[in-house]
Amino acid sequence: EAGVAQSPRYKIIEKRQSVAFWCNPISGHATLYWYQQILGQGPKLLIQFQNNGVVDDSQLPKDRFSAERLKGVDSTLKIQPAKLEDSAVYLCASSSGTSVNNEQFFGPGTRLTVL
Amino acid sequence: AQSVTQLGSHVSVSEGALVLLRCNYSSSVPPYLFWYVQYPNQGLQLLLKYTSAATLVKGINGFEAEFKKSETSFHLTKPSAHMSDAAEYFCAVSDQNDYKLSFGAGTTVTVRA
Repeated sequence: EAGVAQSPRYKIIEKRQSVAFWCNPISGHATLYWYQQILGQGPKLLIQFQNNGVVDDSQLPKDRFSAERLKGVDSTLKIQPAKLEDSAVYLCASSSGTSVNNEQFFGPGTRLTVL
Repeated sequence: AQSVTQLGSHVSVSEGALVLLRCNYSSSVPPYLFWYVQYPNQGLQLLLKYTSAATLVKGINGFEAEFKKSETSFHLTKPSAHMSDAAEYFCAVSDQNDYKLSFGAGTTVTVRA
């Protein structure tokens, strides 16, 4: 079974530029999560999708971050414009449901460096 | 709001020695607790989870953790460290009714030959 795919793996941009990350979850997984992992910290949930609907985006800085999952499969996370403090690893995870018995499977992440 | 605190950002052990990673939780209601491992340049992988059943939970790769309500702890142990255990370990908590994970800051484990 293929895991969660993310691209690109690394991205370096200047502040105030825009950037987008892509995630392809495990086939059949209805729930998709985006996390931000700043160096030295644990992952922090940014947004959760159930199919193509947003379940929770309370931690998403909506003035600069946006995410979509139009067809309920792939998802993109965008930052526009980027700030220095956005430097982090962005992790995508997926699960077959939202109960504790539905394990979240994580992708390898996209490491963003904002200069 | 639930949270976890991992004591010690770095732990160094000798190969064959006990691995002990500490995690304390703060929750107003009985939580679910998890341990994840992250190898370099890889995503997080679930090691084990506590979901109100047995207080001693066994996971993959020889790891286990014990839920102690009186100490609000969920420490992770492995009797004998292997070189392949070198990684970063995260403790996480979620509410029983809402499976959203809140992670600790992580503990990096190095294993000395």
